[in-house]
Amino acid sequence: SQKIEQNSEALNIQEGKTATLTCNYTNYSPAYLQWYRQDPGRGPVFLLLIRENEKEKRKERLKVTFDTTLKQSLFHITASQPADSATYLCALFHNYGQNFVFGPGTRLSVLP
Amino acid sequence: NAGVTQTPKFQVLKTGQSMTLQCAQDMNHNSMYWYRQDPGMGLRLIYYSASEGTTDKGEVPNGYNVSRLNKREFSLRLESAAPSQTSVYFCASSEMGLDYNEQFFGPGTRLTVL
Repeated sequence: SQKIEQNSEALNIQEGKTATLTCNYTNYSPAYLQWYRQDPGRGPVFLLLIRENEKEKRKERLKVTFDTTLKQSLFHITASQPADSATYLCALFHNYGQNFVFGPGTRLSVLP
Repeated sequence: NAGVTQTPKFQVLKTGQSMTLQCAQDMNHNSMYWYRQDPGMGLRLIYYSASEGTTDKGEVPNGYNVSRLNKREFSLRLESAAPSQTSVYFCASSEMGLDYNEQFFGPGTRLTVL
């Protein structure tokens, strides 16, 4: 069956450290994968997209990698800050359905 | 630019009642989506509309109907609400075919069915 999973429901890290979040999928062939940030009581906000033929993408303190062999994407936040505390969602776009499938999210807490 | 707007923000229904959730976007996007979000399950696609005049079922369409009224508006209807439909509902829009295809989300509707 098709599944998209994120490594843990919650992750706590110290301010200044690098947060690494994992997104794994099975039985999909995504054209690309996106990462979103969601704050409590708000809708998700787009952060980054990475295509199937790209290994890595960066935007300021954010970095995303995509390994189609492992069927995994890693999302890194370097020099993390308490303001980075939020839930992070991965979403893949698969060509067959022409729509998006979301993972359950990881709630990140950056402790001062 | 308001982006994606949803009404109402909160709603409480009794089992068996009906209601329509409204969504509008002002970004001239072709594609619009309805999701529900439940604890631990992430966002699940209910219905989507790839362009004006078309709608398609997503992962969890049972108990819902949609109408793509025009390019701006996409409504979601619960004909006979059930407690299992208690959830937070998000509408989103995107422009397929551009480089990023990012989805823009509304603020959500928190629905409780008693």
